[in-house]
Amino acid sequence: DAGVIQSPRHEVTEMGQEVTLRCKPISGHNSLFWYRQTMMRGLELLIYFNNNVPIDDSGMPEDRFSAKMPNASFSTLKIQPSEPRDSAVYFCASSPGLAGAPYNEQFFGPGTRLTVL
Amino acid sequence: AQKITQTQPGMFVQEKEAVTLDCTYDTSDPSYGLFWYKQPSSGEMIFLIYQGSYDQQNATEGRYSLNFQKARKSANLVISASQLGDSAMYFCAMREGNTGNQFYFGTGTSLTVIP
Repeated sequence: DAGVIQSPRHEVTEMGQEVTLRCKPISGHNSLFWYRQTMMRGLELLIYFNNNVPIDDSGMPEDRFSAKMPNASFSTLKIQPSEPRDSAVYFCASSPGLAGAPYNEQFFGPGTRLTVL
Repeated sequence: AQKITQTQPGMFVQEKEAVTLDCTYDTSDPSYGLFWYKQPSSGEMIFLIYQGSYDQQNATEGRYSLNFQKARKSANLVISASQLGDSAMYFCAMREGNTGNQFYFGTGTSLTVIP
């Protein structure tokens, strides 16, 4: 059974460019989370979806960040325009939804290491 | 107030010894889940162990056990017989029943196992 899939695994881009990170959650999981991890700020929740609907995007740092989940098997996190301070590891995670919560763990993808020059 | 507090930025343990990583939590929800994740230097987040608020017994998974003290709101991770491969960051997390979906993570503890 495939876990959470993220692409690309590494991304190097120049300041001002658009960056799109992709995530495929585990089949059957209704909740999807995007996190950002840096040495300075640790693990930060950016946004999470339940049944493809964004529930809480209060962690999205600014308007340059946007996330979509057009269907149950795909989500994107877009940064436009990117800045050097966006350099971080971005994790996607999925979890079975409200049924059974809070007793369901999150499963994390391998992360995308983003470097903005 | 912080939902999850991990007060030990770094810990050292001798190989084959046991180590306890501290975690305290804050919630008024009677229904919640507590989780521990391991993040080795390779970067992936690995789920280790889970404890439900209504569970009567402490959770155990192999060499991992969770010392759940509900009245003190603590959920410490105990690793027995430490191995070199246990060197990693460890994160405590909580999920509340009312909010359902959001996970709250602590700042992590870096564990180094000394040969």
